[in-house]
Amino acid sequence: DADVTQTPRNRITKTGKRIMLECSQTKGHDRMYWYRQDPGLGLRLIYYSFDVKDINKGEISDGYSVSRQAQAKFSLSLESAIPNQTALYFCATSESFNQPQHFGDGTRLSIL
Amino acid sequence: AQSVAQPEDQVNVAEGNPLTVKCTYSVSGNPYLFWYVQYPNRGLQFLLKYITGDNLVKGSYGFEAEFNKSQTSFHLKKPSALVSDSALYFCAVRDTSFKTIFGAGTRLFVKA
Repeated sequence: DADVTQTPRNRITKTGKRIMLECSQTKGHDRMYWYRQDPGLGLRLIYYSFDVKDINKGEISDGYSVSRQAQAKFSLSLESAIPNQTALYFCATSESFNQPQHFGDGTRLSIL
Repeated sequence: AQSVAQPEDQVNVAEGNPLTVKCTYSVSGNPYLFWYVQYPNRGLQFLLKYITGDNLVKGSYGFEAEFNKSQTSFHLKKPSALVSDSALYFCAVRDTSFKTIFGAGTRLFVKA
């Protein structure tokens, strides 16, 4: 089983809908992250959490919210989806700031 | 401001030839640098990191990277490329607030 699992893997939805992307991990890491990937832009940080009680905005948090339900679970919500939120979304975990991040396989989200 | 630049969108190399994927960075203080690889439909996978110590860092799959403080570079290298090395490569740097900043990515094509 994968260490970092993202669901769903693919989602097509309509403008204005509420969407939740889920991430769970079995690595026992406190730190979790949500990124979006767009061609030519690399990965941009949406939100991050250093433990269950800690939530921080990243570079591009507008239009998104998160919930850290447990050490192992970190979900990303789009309250009212818009087409320019069409992207590939990744969840990641890390043990500490100087250790590498471990990524899920992503959710490909299309908003029509 | 902290930043990472990957000046080449794409690198083409013949199988068996050496490859270099370039990365330059700008950070305050000592840099923590990482390389990741992304294969189609997969999340990023960690290749190697520089925290401190030797300027030549060895990583997974025969890759290595050379840290050059004076040139603020951290180029990824491999002595003999394989077709299976074809993928998207990301350089990343940890910034002073302990977040990771990713470059835009360089696509590597290895021709048989």
